[in-house]
Amino acid sequence: GAGVSQSPSNKVTEKGKDVELRCDPISGHTALYWYRQSLGQGLEFLIYFQGNSAPDKSGLPSDRFSAERTGGSVSTLTIQRTQQEDSAVYLCASSFFDSTDEQYFGPGTRLTVT
Amino acid sequence: KQEVTQIPAALSVPEGENLVLNCSFTDSAIYNLQWFRQDPGKGLTSLLLIQSSQREQTSGRLNASLDKSSGRSTLYIAASQPGDSATYLCAGGGNLSQGGKLIFGQGTELSVKP
Repeated sequence: GAGVSQSPSNKVTEKGKDVELRCDPISGHTALYWYRQSLGQGLEFLIYFQGNSAPDKSGLPSDRFSAERTGGSVSTLTIQRTQQEDSAVYLCASSFFDSTDEQYFGPGTRLTVT
Repeated sequence: KQEVTQIPAALSVPEGENLVLNCSFTDSAIYNLQWFRQDPGKGLTSLLLIQSSQREQTSGRLNASLDKSSGRSTLYIAASQPGDSATYLCAGGGNLSQGGKLIFGQGTELSVKP
């Protein structure tokens, strides 16, 4: 079946603008995760969804970052008032049931804040 | 707090050589360990998942081992090929009470020369 998809694949935005990143998990996967990959920090966890709720959002770097998931499927990561340090590749992953299962990653969204 | 370290950071080998990539973690309460491959500009491809109750997993030319007591995992690649060139990442997963996140190492960049 189809894998995890993310859109857009690339996003260039001006500092101070808001952006929305979308993730479509593998059909039937209950758990969904957002990670961020940047040159200086490597791969960092942002937030974990179990169904539509987020039991672990400990990785969100500031209150400018928020995420939601609706219908137990699509998730949107929103970054408000973007800063240059937000430039990174944002990766989404899903797993069948929970965090103990194998995680499958999407291709990522490359965000550049100018 | 779980920390994951990968050694070496980069490795270059001639085609056909067998090789070992190393991953160490600080918290032995790890629930599972997952190895990924990342090609330049791409997302992560899951290679192997080892649950904490397991000692190793095999897939084709790849074999991953897990030793919780010493805090180590290794990825063994047999008869390396140029197509194996990529960055290899290991990630430790916590149990449900520890949240859903994977903690990633910084990766080993592998180059297999023809």
